[in-house]
Amino acid sequence: AQSVTQPDIHITVSEGASLELRCNYSYGATPYLFWYVQSPGQGLQLLLKYFSGDTLVQGIKGFEAEFKRSQSSFNLRKPSVHWSDAAEYFCAVRDTGRRALTFGSGTRLQVQP
Amino acid sequence: DADVTQTPRNRITKTGKRIMLECSQTKGHDRMYWYRQDPGLGLRLIYYSFDVKDINKGEISDGYSVSRQAQAKFSLSLESAIPNQTALYFCATRTSGRPDTQYFGPGTRLTVL
Repeated sequence: AQSVTQPDIHITVSEGASLELRCNYSYGATPYLFWYVQSPGQGLQLLLKYFSGDTLVQGIKGFEAEFKRSQSSFNLRKPSVHWSDAAEYFCAVRDTGRRALTFGSGTRLQVQP
Repeated sequence: DADVTQTPRNRITKTGKRIMLECSQTKGHDRMYWYRQDPGLGLRLIYYSFDVKDINKGEISDGYSVSRQAQAKFSLSLESAIPNQTALYFCATRTSGRPDTQYFGPGTRLTVL
């Protein structure tokens, strides 16, 4: 069965600093990968997704993620964090049959002024 | 108007009560999902439906049932609520074709006392 690991439960960065959130997946075939963001009290918003092709994918709000098959990773990055980026971030992989998502446990991002 | 709506947004109930959470979508999608979110666990799949006559259990279906009243409506029921069903519940939809993206509702926060 597929699984997703987000090793960092909580990360704090200063506003304007760069950000990298880690995601490792376990999946037998070519994965379909997603990053979602959940702001406090809100639902989930899709940041970006990888299905195939270029391994560096661009998303909304200035985020990008790089798929590395050799490392089974799909890390999320942003060059300069804004205070409004404070939220919880979830990495997910889609299974083939149900087309349902398996989520990681999430990384909570705190942004210091 | 939101494409995926959930009612109620918040609910407090007592142990043993029957509760129904409703999800409606205007996206015209045929596939609908119910997930549960618990702190530190991410989201986990409860039930999913590919169309009105196709309903399937997810990883944590015990204690829950669902009804797909129409293509646009997918309800989750707790026949006899218990405290460990206190969680944030999300409905999601996706098309059977491309793009292969799930769209989430705003969530229902359920507290079982």
